[in-house]
Amino acid sequence: SAVISQKPSRDICQRGTSLTIQCQVDSQVTMMFWYRQQPGQSLTLIATANQGSEATYESGFVIDKFPISRPNLTFSTLTVSNMSPEDSSIYLCSSLGNNEQFFGPGTRLTVL
Amino acid sequence: AQKITQTQPGMFVQEKEAVTLDCTYDTSDPSYGLFWYKQPSSGEMIFLIYQGSYDQQNATEGRYSLNFQKARKSANLVISASQLGDSAMYFCAMRVLGEFYFGTGTSLTVIP
Repeated sequence: SAVISQKPSRDICQRGTSLTIQCQVDSQVTMMFWYRQQPGQSLTLIATANQGSEATYESGFVIDKFPISRPNLTFSTLTVSNMSPEDSSIYLCSSLGNNEQFFGPGTRLTVL
Repeated sequence: AQKITQTQPGMFVQEKEAVTLDCTYDTSDPSYGLFWYKQPSSGEMIFLIYQGSYDQQNATEGRYSLNFQKARKSANLVISASQLGDSAMYFCAMRVLGEFYFGTGTSLTVIP
């Protein structure tokens, strides 16, 4: 099974600023995903991070707000841009195994 | 359309007792996978158990078992001998056609 780490684990940010979250997988994986979990809610897929090409965004999420990088098969970043209090959430990085979806420990973001 | 439903927003169970968390799903695709995840207050998503749509037997992993009733399209999680550390959010998820769908979660509280 893959082990996924995320940095930072939590942050408190001012509105209007941006935060970049890093995701590192301990093995090469084809598929990497970014999810958002707003307080008391389930997980919502933001985008699929594609290696070597632009990320594929779900409805309601755009590249200008959530730019994603995937420079190689083990690493990805998600930036939350021009933050507002509504962006306060847990952001989770994920990758796919054979019969399992692995998650990072999450980044708990609070926007003041 | 794919859909996954958890109808129990909150559940309580006495320590050492068994508890069943409900999950129903809807898909017209014959090939799918069903997952259960545990999310403690720390925010990480912990994989618990997997059931494939073609699996003949119910999946079991230690104290976790999945009561898979294909005709009813249900995939209930059974936790035996509940422990205080089992208190967490539990999410049911379905993977079909390469996409993941998450339920809204059930909050389980184990009472000493």
